[in-house]
Amino acid sequence: DAGVIQSPRHEVTEMGQEVTLRCKPISGHNSLFWYRQTMMRGLELLIYFNNNVPIDDSGMPEDRFSAKMPNASFSTLKIQPSEPRDSAVYFCASTPGEGRSYNEQFFGPGTRLTVL
Amino acid sequence: AQSVTQLGSHVSVSEGALVLLRCNYSSSVPPYLFWYVQYPNQGLQLLLKYTSAATLVKGINGFEAEFKKSETSFHLTKPSAHMSDAAEYFCAVSDEAGGFKTIFGAGTRLFVKA
Repeated sequence: DAGVIQSPRHEVTEMGQEVTLRCKPISGHNSLFWYRQTMMRGLELLIYFNNNVPIDDSGMPEDRFSAKMPNASFSTLKIQPSEPRDSAVYFCASTPGEGRSYNEQFFGPGTRLTVL
Repeated sequence: AQSVTQLGSHVSVSEGALVLLRCNYSSSVPPYLFWYVQYPNQGLQLLLKYTSAATLVKGINGFEAEFKKSETSFHLTKPSAHMSDAAEYFCAVSDEAGGFKTIFGAGTRLFVKA
């Protein structure tokens, strides 16, 4: 199994630019989570989807952030416009929802975002 | 509401010494409890999980954790630390009512001295 795939692995952009982060969950998993990790705030849940439907977006910082999951195999997290304080590592994780590992989170390698 | 508290943001042990990372949880329903490990420049990966089948849970790499309901604790231990155990460790809690939403602790960075 390929695991959770995230792209790009690194992104450097200038303040004000639009940034799109991509995630492909593990095939067959029915929940998908977006997290942000910084030294100051630790690991924060931004939003999660169940069967492609957003369930809880209370962690999304502000309207500049948006997330979509158009189908079971793809999700995006968009920041527009980006700001330096958005610099962080963004993780995507998926959960099977059934079987022995039904509530375990499988994390991708992360996208390191730097906003100059 | 669920929450997790990890005592100590940094723990340092000598190679071969006991590792003890502390975690206390708060949950209004029987919880599912997890320990995840994060190596540098990687995502988190599951070490072990508690799902009420047994209070002592064994995980990968020689780690284990004991669920103590009376103390609302789920501390992680390993009898003998190895240099390769140096990483950040996260305790986490979830329940079915939360739709598998998982709440993570702030993390404890483990340093292993030669």
